[in-house]
This record gives sequence, C-alpha cells and structure tokens, in this order.
Amino acid sequence: DQQVKQNSPSLSVQEGRISILNCDYTNSMFDYFLWYKKYPAEGPTFLISISSIKDKNEDGRFTVFLNKSAKHLSLHIVPSQPGDSAVYFCAAKRGADGLTFGKGTHLIIQP
Amino acid sequence: KAGVTQTPRYLIKTRGQQVTLSCSPISGHRSVSWYQQTPGQGLQFLFEYFSETQRNKGNFPGRFSGRQFSNSRSEMNVSTLELGDSALYLCASSLDVVESSYNEQFFGPGTRLTVL
Repeated sequence: DQQVKQNSPSLSVQEGRISILNCDYTNSMFDYFLWYKKYPAEGPTFLISISSIKDKNEDGRFTVFLNKSAKHLSLHIVPSQPGDSAVYFCAAKRGADGLTFGKGTHLIIQP
Repeated sequence: KAGVTQTPRYLIKTRGQQVTLSCSPISGHRSVSWYQQTPGQGLQFLFEYFSETQRNKGNFPGRFSGRQFSNSRSEMNVSTLELGDSALYLCASSLDVVESSYNEQFFGPGTRLTVL
C-alpha cells in the first residue's frame, strides 16, 4: 500500500508559467515533508521541506503548501524555467524513520 | 566539499550471485541511508546506519544487508541475487545533528545494478 502518492506521472508547463506538482499521503503520523528534484544519471537533490506544524514554506521560486486535513501537499514553481525540467519526488517521514517517497512526476517545461 | 560518492556506478551480475556496493558520505556526515529505485516501486527505503549501527530498516528481505565503518563509509550487500533486484541503488548521507527537526539528506549518483 503506497503511503505517498503522486498521481500525475508527467506534467507539461510553458516557460514563465506556474508549475503545480501535487502529492497525497495516507499516514497521518508523518511529521515532515520534502520535495526532491532528480535529473537523469544523478541522485535526487533536496529542494524544499515543510514541517507538519506549518502550512506554507517558501524559498525563492519554490513554495510548498501543506493541507493536513486533506493529507495533501503541493509544490509551486513560479516562474517555471527550462532548467526546472526534471523528475520531482515528494517524500515524507515520521520521526527518525527513513523517507517514504512517491513515484515521481516528470515535469517538462516547454519554451 | 566533495559530495556523496558511490562505487561502482554500474554493475552486471547473474542470478544467485552476491554483490557489494560502496558509499562514501560527505565529510563530517555521520548518517548513511540506502534506497532502492525501480520503475514499478519508485524509491524505497532500505536501511539507515549511524555510528556503525543499523538504526532503521525498511521492508526488505534479509538478503539485503549493510554495514558502516568507523569513518562513516558504508557498504550494502545483496546475496542470492534475483532478477527483481535490478535497480538503481542510492545512498544518502546527513549530518544527523542532535535536536534538529530534520537533517537534510544528500544523495549520491547511485549504482545501477543489472541482474541477468
């Protein structure tokens, strides 16, 4: 049973527009959520995180929103740039446990 | 500062063999975690080592094992390889500072294992 779900395998967005990547989770015990970005032939790179006690965290062009009642989080990228084309993974953790990842969303930024 | 390094980058083995993968964390990082990435299951947590001790373990069979050395370098071993073990194996290290709500994990490039 997958505890972290990314229901969109791919997403295509025009350069300069907003990219919104979504993630749902089932385990209400998760207390920390993260987004990672992955290019081919490289390991995932940490992007941004949010604690379960917050509902928003912003870092430059990246903002993560957390809706605990809906068990949903989203990553907003504004404005989208060609270099943002990559696979984005949503991840969650509970206490000191290892990360639980979603299966990823392939974001394609079109010129 | 050098990043997380993993060796070898690519490996081909046959069913029934065993394999050892190596991970060197970022200097000063004390925690090392291992993940398996497959197209069907995505990224799955294998185990985490801290101070030469396994601290957390994911839901994988006993054929998957690991260890950590006093210099924080880590190895993982898979015995009696099966076709389904073909995957990208990722290692991640973190500082693991006490009283920090989260210690960011830095990933290596991975080892691509193919089992024939």
